Amino acid sequence: GNSVTQMEGPVTLSEEAFLTINCTYTATGYPSLFWYVQYPGEGLQLLLKATKADDKGSNKGFEATYRKETTSFHLEKGSVQVSDSAVYFCALLNTQGGSEKLVFGKGTKLTVNP
Amino acid sequence: DAGITQSPRYKITETGRQVTLMCHQTWSHSYMFWYRQDLGHGLRLIYYSAAADITDKGEVPDGYVVSRSKTENFPLTLESATRSQTSVYFCASVDRLTDTQYFGPGTRLTVL
Repeated sequence: GNSVTQMEGPVTLSEEAFLTINCTYTATGYPSLFWYVQYPGEGLQLLLKATKADDKGSNKGFEATYRKETTSFHLEKGSVQVSDSAVYFCALLNTQGGSEKLVFGKGTKLTVNP
Repeated sequence: DAGITQSPRYKITETGRQVTLMCHQTWSHSYMFWYRQDLGHGLRLIYYSAAADITDKGEVPDGYVVSRSKTENFPLTLESATRSQTSVYFCASVDRLTDTQYFGPGTRLTVL
């Protein structure tokens, strides 16, 4: 079946530190991969995505590369800000069979201190 | 305004009462979803719908009922609320051109 495993948090960093949140997946076929972000008190919103192997998704200084050989999609940012404090979810979409159901990891809470 | 909305945003109810959470989207997306979010469990899919009048169970459907008579609305009903249904509930719809899910702001439900 399809599953996503992401590093457990919480993660606490100082402003301008480097961020990595690990995400690995199990899936048949060729899934699309996503990172969603949830700011306090809000719903999830798409941060970035990649639809095929070696694609790099990027947005707001965050990046993630779809690595099929290691079945990974790690999220990185070179210099975090206080405003990046949120919960980050890795997710995959496997449209085999026509389903649009996302499979989510459990989320990683990031706190950035000034 | 375009988007996806949920109502109410906060609800307190008592065990055994029926509660309906509303979800409305303005994009005419065919797919819609209901999730619950609980500490330690992340997001869990309750029900989803591929189109009007087509619904299917997700990971945790017990105790919930859904309907989808119109494309834009996807209400979730707790027929007889239990304390274990205290949670934050999120509705979402999918833009199939980009495979992007758009989430509502959530409903925080407390069952006493």
